Amino acid sequence: GAGVSQTPSNKVTEKGKYVELRCDPISGHTALYWYRQSLGQGPEFLIYFQGTGAADDSGLPNDRFFAVRPEGSVSTLKIQRTERGDSAVYLCASSYRREETQYFGPGTRLLVL
Amino acid sequence: AQSVTQLDSQVPVFEEAPVELRCNYSSSVSVYLFWYVQYPNQGLQLLLKYLSGSTLVKGINGFEAEFNKSQTSFHLRKPSVHISDTAEYFCAVISDGGFQKLVFGTGTRLLVSP
Repeated sequence: GAGVSQTPSNKVTEKGKYVELRCDPISGHTALYWYRQSLGQGPEFLIYFQGTGAADDSGLPNDRFFAVRPEGSVSTLKIQRTERGDSAVYLCASSYRREETQYFGPGTRLLVL
Repeated sequence: AQSVTQLDSQVPVFEEAPVELRCNYSSSVSVYLFWYVQYPNQGLQLLLKYLSGSTLVKGINGFEAEFNKSQTSFHLRKPSVHISDTAEYFCAVISDGGFQKLVFGTGTRLLVSP
C-alpha cells in the first residue's frame, strides 16, 4: 500500500514568511509524528498526534510552530515568521498505534533565505 | 532523558567486507532500541528493533544488532556489505516520555566502495 507522503518535497521561502507543510499518513494509522532534521543531525521530535488531538507537543521549539490534524488523518505543520534557523528537513511519520513501528515519509526540505 | 551516541560519523568499507556501526545509549529503566536507514532522497526505513527477549536481533537486508545492557550498546553489524548498503544509518531509543518520542543519534554514513 501507499506509504507516508509529504508535500511539498522542497520549499524555499524568505525570512519572515509563513509556510505550511503537509503530511498524508498511511491509511488507518491513528498516530502521527513530526520530526525536524537539521544538517548533519539526527531527527528531533516535534509533536505527536493521537487521532485529532496533539497528545505531546513538547518538542515544538517556540510558539511560531503549530500543527493540526483536524480529521485525524492529514496533518499540517505551520511555521509563522520563518527564520533562517528553521531551515531543515521536516519529517512526518505514522504508526497504527502509539506503540507500533513508526513509518517515515520522504520529508520536506525547507530553506529559509 | 534518553540520549544516543553514534561515535562514527562516517565508515568507509569495501564491498563484501564486514561492518559494524556503533551505538551507545544512556541508561534507563526500560530501553527500546531501533536502527533506521536513510537512503538518499528517501525517508527513514526501519532496519530492526529491540523491545525485549533475545539480545540478538535480526533485521532486513542481512543486518543484525546485539543489545548489551552492561555496556549500554546496540551495535549494528553485517557480515558482508553491498554497494547498495551505502546510506545513512541512525540509532534511536524510546524516550522516557513514552513510545511517542524516538530520540535519534547523529547518524553514521556507511560508504561502500568496490
